[in-house]
Amino acid sequence: AAGVIQSPRHLIKEKRETATLKCYPIPRHDTVYWYQQGPGQDPQFLISFYEKMQSDKGSIPDRFSAQQFSDYHSELNMSSLELGDSALYFCASSLGGGRPGRYFGPGTRLTVL
Amino acid sequence: AQSVTQLDSQVPVFEEAPVELRCNYSSSVSVYLFWYVQYPNQGLQLLLKYLSGSTLVKGINGFEAEFNKSQTSFHLRKPSVHISDTAEYFCAVSDHQGGSEKLVFGKGTKLTVNP
Repeated sequence: AAGVIQSPRHLIKEKRETATLKCYPIPRHDTVYWYQQGPGQDPQFLISFYEKMQSDKGSIPDRFSAQQFSDYHSELNMSSLELGDSALYFCASSLGGGRPGRYFGPGTRLTVL
Repeated sequence: AQSVTQLDSQVPVFEEAPVELRCNYSSSVSVYLFWYVQYPNQGLQLLLKYLSGSTLVKGINGFEAEFNKSQTSFHLRKPSVHISDTAEYFCAVSDHQGGSEKLVFGKGTKLTVNP
């Protein structure tokens, strides 16, 4: 079965650079969630989209922005990267409207040097 | 606001022994409960979930969990573990009111199965 796809899988950036992470949900899923997992930490919710609209917002820094496109894929844009942004970034997708399955992608490991 | 407490940060066990990973949650509304497993350098894999109905939920890899509303617990169990079960396990909760379905995770329990 098709799963959530994230690209790239690994990304290395310098401080103050920008990064764009992409998430392709499971086909027909209309809801996307982004999570950040720091080293040795539990995943923290960043932001979610349902039907291309932002549906919820968590601890996402102002330097980050995200959107969901017409084909339901989502992009997380990160600017002015800091060392503390080094983390595993997960995307999860689900079929919205009260159906709570959550399927996570393999994650993008971002390293900021 | 919801929160999840995983009472044990590390659980070492011997192969073929039973294991229980504890999870307690707090929420003012009805919740959905999940257990995820994360192998080293990998993503989160859904083990099982409780949405409604039977309080005993069976998942993949021989794991099961029991929802106890009065004790606000959702402990994960396996009667006989294998070396390959060594991983980090996360309990998570989401509410199904107010339109927000984000997951709140516990801090994780690192299960180490020794030969």
